[in-house]
Amino acid sequence: GDSVTQMEGPVTLSEEAFLTINCTYTATGYPSLFWYVQYPGEGLQLLLKATKADDKGSNKGFEATYRKETTSFHLEKGSVQVSDSAVYFCALSKGGKLIFGQGTELSVKP
Amino acid sequence: DTAVSQTPKYLVTQMGNDKSIKCEQNLGHDTMYWYKQDSKKFLKIMFSYNNKELIINETVPNRFSPKSPDKAHLNLHINSLELGDSAVYFCASSQGGGATSSYEQYFGPGTRLTVT
Repeated sequence: GDSVTQMEGPVTLSEEAFLTINCTYTATGYPSLFWYVQYPGEGLQLLLKATKADDKGSNKGFEATYRKETTSFHLEKGSVQVSDSAVYFCALSKGGKLIFGQGTELSVKP
Repeated sequence: DTAVSQTPKYLVTQMGNDKSIKCEQNLGHDTMYWYKQDSKKFLKIMFSYNNKELIINETVPNRFSPKSPDKAHLNLHINSLELGDSAVYFCASSQGGGATSSYEQYFGPGTRLTVT
């Protein structure tokens, strides 16, 4: 069945470090792909999305490119801040529902 | 203005009780969802409604019964609560729905249910 796999966390970085969170998916057809972020004690916020191959989603300095050949949608940011500390979820949309990866916790230290 | 709201935010109750969680969205969306987040933060869909019609019903115990009185509201009623029901329940909504929808979903703040 359809699934999403993310790199395991927690990921701990120093402020201004480069961030990559890997995400790969298994799905038939061409699902839309999303990154959501969950700050402590809050709900999920949509961070970015891509709806077709080679699309690049971007928001707040975060980027991810829909790579059909490698079935990947890795999240990157050039310089993280303490305020980016959160849990990041990769997801695909299929059949009217979101299928999530297991989440990757990011902790950014000053 | 809150886009997707849920009440209550926290719910502590004993095994065997019946409880409800309410969700409202003011985005004008026509599809609403319930997701469950377990203690390891894994998220899984439970139900979705499109224009008050149930379109997704994952393998959820029939103690869980969603009700959508109108497009803007989706409630979740849980009978005979069990310890394993302890989780965070998130409501979400999207514009457009149905089995072919790929629209982004907007989430509420969650309801943390603790069953003792």
